[in-house]
Amino acid sequence: EAGVAQSPRYKIIEKRQSVAFWCNPISGHATLYWYQQILGQGPKLLIQFQNNGVVDDSQLPKDRFSAERLKGVDSTLKIQPAKLEDSAVYLCASSLGRQIYEQYFGPGTRLTVT
Amino acid sequence: AQSVAQPEDQVNVAEGNPLTVKCTYSVSGNPYLFWYVQYPNRGLQFLLKYITGDNLVKGSYGFEAEFNKSQTSFHLKKPSALVSDSALYFCAVRGNTGFQKLVFGTGTRLLVSP
Repeated sequence: EAGVAQSPRYKIIEKRQSVAFWCNPISGHATLYWYQQILGQGPKLLIQFQNNGVVDDSQLPKDRFSAERLKGVDSTLKIQPAKLEDSAVYLCASSLGRQIYEQYFGPGTRLTVT
Repeated sequence: AQSVAQPEDQVNVAEGNPLTVKCTYSVSGNPYLFWYVQYPNRGLQFLLKYITGDNLVKGSYGFEAEFNKSQTSFHLKKPSALVSDSALYFCAVRGNTGFQKLVFGTGTRLLVSP
């Protein structure tokens, strides 16, 4: 079974530039998550999709971050404009459903904002 | 709101000895508890979960965890550590009422010496 795919793996941008990350979840997984993991911390949920609808985006900085999951499969996360504090690893995860199901994580995208 | 505490930043153990990585939690309702492991430059991998039932949960790679409701703890254990177990371990919790996001601890680095 193929795992969660993410691209790019690494990205370096200057502050105020924009960047986009892509995620392809495990086939058949209805729930998709985007997490931000700052160095030395645990992952923090940014947004959760159930199929192509948003379940929770309460911790997404909506003035600069946006995400979509068209057709309930692939997803993109965008940052525009980026700030220095956005430097982190962005992890995508998917699960069969919510609550009791474990999440499967992709390798992440390491973003450095200079 | 739910929270997780991993009181040790690092745990050191000699190969062949038993290991314990501690986790305590706070949540509304009954907890769903998870342990994940993260190797360098990789995403998180699911180890085990507690949803209901037997307080001792067995997972991947010989790991197990004991749920203790009175102490609100979910410590990760392994009877005999391997050098290859060296990694970053995250405990996570969500409640079983309504929608509650999965909240991760700050992680514990396990170093197993030969």
